[in-house]
Amino acid sequence: AQSVSQHNHHVILSEAASLELGCNYSYGGTVNLFWYVQYPGQHLQLLLKYFSGDPLVKGIKGFEAEFIKSKFSFNLRKPSVQWSDTAEYFCAAGTGGSYIPTFGRGTSLIVHP
Amino acid sequence: NAGVTQTPKFQVLKTGQSMTLQCAQDMNHNSMYWYRQDPGMGLRLIYYSASEGTTDKGEVPNGYNVSRLNKREFSLRLESAAPSQTSVYFCASRGQGSANPYNQPQHFGDGTRLSIL
Repeated sequence: AQSVSQHNHHVILSEAASLELGCNYSYGGTVNLFWYVQYPGQHLQLLLKYFSGDPLVKGIKGFEAEFIKSKFSFNLRKPSVQWSDTAEYFCAAGTGGSYIPTFGRGTSLIVHP
Repeated sequence: NAGVTQTPKFQVLKTGQSMTLQCAQDMNHNSMYWYRQDPGMGLRLIYYSASEGTTDKGEVPNGYNVSRLNKREFSLRLESAAPSQTSVYFCASRGQGSANPYNQPQHFGDGTRLSIL
């Protein structure tokens, strides 16, 4: 079965620091990849997605992610975080022919002003 | 522009009581999902409905039932609530896209915070 690993469970940064959150998936075939963000007390919102084409994907709010097929990875990056980026971040992966994406356990990001 | 609407937002139940969580989407999406979110566990799929008229079990279906009432609505029922079902429940829907339904993102509701005493 497909699995998604987010190795950083809790990340604490100061404003203006750079961010990289790891995401690894297990499936070797065609895969659709997503990053979602959940601000405190809110629902999950899509940050960005990848399913084909340029492996460097740009999303909302200055986030980007790079798909590296050889490493089964889809890491999320932001050059300079803001206090408002404090949230929980979820990576999800779906196989090419499935309606059911698998979610990672999430990474809690706290940004100190 | 409501998206995915869940009711209620908060609920407290006693052990053994029953309850139905409601979910409706106005985006004409085929697929709908119910998840529970627990600290450190991420999102776990309870049930999903790939299209109107079909439902399937997810990772943690025990103690729950679902009904896909029509294309818009997908309800989750707890027949006899247990303290282990204390959680935040999220409903999501997913569109079919013009070419590939599998690469469409999910749209989530605001969640139902359920406490069972």
